[in-house]
Amino acid sequence: DAGITQSPRHKVTETGTPVTLRCHQTENHRYMYWYRQDPGHGLRLIHYSYGVKDTDKGEVSDGYSVSRSKTEDFLLTLESATSSQTSVYFCAIAGGRGNQPQHFGDGTRLSIL
Amino acid sequence: DQQVKQNSPSLSVQEGRISILNCDYTNSMFDYFLWYKKYPAEGPTFLISISSIKDKNEDGRFTVFLNKSAKHLSLHIVPSQPGDSAVYFCAASALSGTASKLTFGTGTRLQVTL
Repeated sequence: DAGITQSPRHKVTETGTPVTLRCHQTENHRYMYWYRQDPGHGLRLIHYSYGVKDTDKGEVSDGYSVSRSKTEDFLLTLESATSSQTSVYFCAIAGGRGNQPQHFGDGTRLSIL
Repeated sequence: DQQVKQNSPSLSVQEGRISILNCDYTNSMFDYFLWYKKYPAEGPTFLISISSIKDKNEDGRFTVFLNKSAKHLSLHIVPSQPGDSAVYFCAASALSGTASKLTFGTGTRLQVTL
C-alpha cells in the first residue's frame, strides 16, 4: 500500500467553523491531490500540488484553500465550513512527472451541521 | 458537464462469469485512462490503466479496452469472483496537462453473486 495517511478519519463540526484536513505521505512523491466524493458525482478534484509551495485549483475549489510547506504534507482548509461541504475527502499522491497512477488514502468523512 | 460517464449505476454478475463495465468520455484531449476499485470506508485502489496509443491492456483477470473513435472504454473481469464486489470508477486525464489531473465517472457498483 502507498504510504498515505489522512487525519482525522472522521470529523463532525458546525457551520462557520474552520476545518483543516491533513494528508501525510512517506513516498516522497512530488504530486499530491485533494478530492471530494459525493453521491452522483464520483470524485471531483478540489486542489492539487506539484511541489512544495506549488499548488493550483481543481474543478471545485471554491471555499477551500491548501498549503504544502513540506514534500510529505498537504493540508486542506475550509476557512468557514458550510453544510454543502459535508462529504468524504480523499487525498492522492502520484510519482514521476504526474504521469503515474494516483494512489489514494482512506479518506476523511466530514459532517458539517 | 460530465466529461466521463458511467451510465450503469449497478451490475450483478454470477461468480465465474465475465463482468463488463463501461465508460464513455467526451473530452478529445483525454489520452490516459484508469480504472479504480473502491470498497466501503476505503480509498479507491488503482486497478489498470491504458494510454491512447493502445487499444487493449491486460493484467491477470482484468482487461481494459479502448475505442478512441467511439470515445469508449470498458473493463472486463474474467472470471468474476465474490471479492470483486465493489464500486468501480473510470477516470481520465490529459497527460500533456499539468500534474495529470483525473476526471472521474460516477461509478458502477458491481455485485458478484454465488
